[in-house]
Amino acid sequence: DIVLTQSPGTLSLSPGERATLSCRASQSLRSSYLAWYQQKPGQAPRLLIYAASSRATGIPDRFSGSGSGTDFTLTISRLEPEDFAVYYCQQYDRSPGYTFGQGTKLEIK
Amino acid sequence: QVQLHESGPGLVKPSQTLSLTCTVSGGSISSGGYYWSWIRQHPGKGLECIGYIYYRGSSYYNPSLMSRVTISVDTSKNQFSLKLSSVTVADTAVYYCATGLNPRPDYWGQGSLVTVSS
Repeated sequence: DIVLTQSPGTLSLSPGERATLSCRASQSLRSSYLAWYQQKPGQAPRLLIYAASSRATGIPDRFSGSGSGTDFTLTISRLEPEDFAVYYCQQYDRSPGYTFGQGTKLEIK
Repeated sequence: QVQLHESGPGLVKPSQTLSLTCTVSGGSISSGGYYWSWIRQHPGKGLECIGYIYYRGSSYYNPSLMSRVTISVDTSKNQFSLKLSSVTVADTAVYYCATGLNPRPDYWGQGSLVTVSS
């Protein structure tokens, strides 16, 4: 099974700052089948990025994804108050099945 | 846009079967190419894929749950369902149904908290 390791576990930043979240896969992901989700307390996760770098419908352009192989990054260029949440990466390359990272909590400093 | 809504008992006794239904609106569950998934999240923890059923009827179950899980589709009601047998307190979680054109959940239900307790 592919294991996704996210870092850091918690990231403390202020509104307006840039956030960089990392996701590392235990095996190379073919075709960059890597997604990012945002989850706020009491809500379901929301798809932000798919195929490593494509923004989902309605996602602001301050969110961007990059990477290939085993190393992937989610960048939020200028943090808005509503961006503080937990972020998960997910791989859907090695079907059947898919796995999630353990999450990065982005909190207000 | 596809919308999903989970329903079912919020409390299940140990050793019994957890049963949840996901009602799909804004799209047909018979539409080709969709994966219909169940995902769970233990309190304060991360996300775990329970399994999914593909529109052609094939299915995938998480190996750690495979012996206890069944996912099925009812096209007449535009629903799909989860059954998890022989539950223990370790199965207490929020259960989400989700769907997407890849085995990647694009659309999620709001989640249903199921507590296993006597």
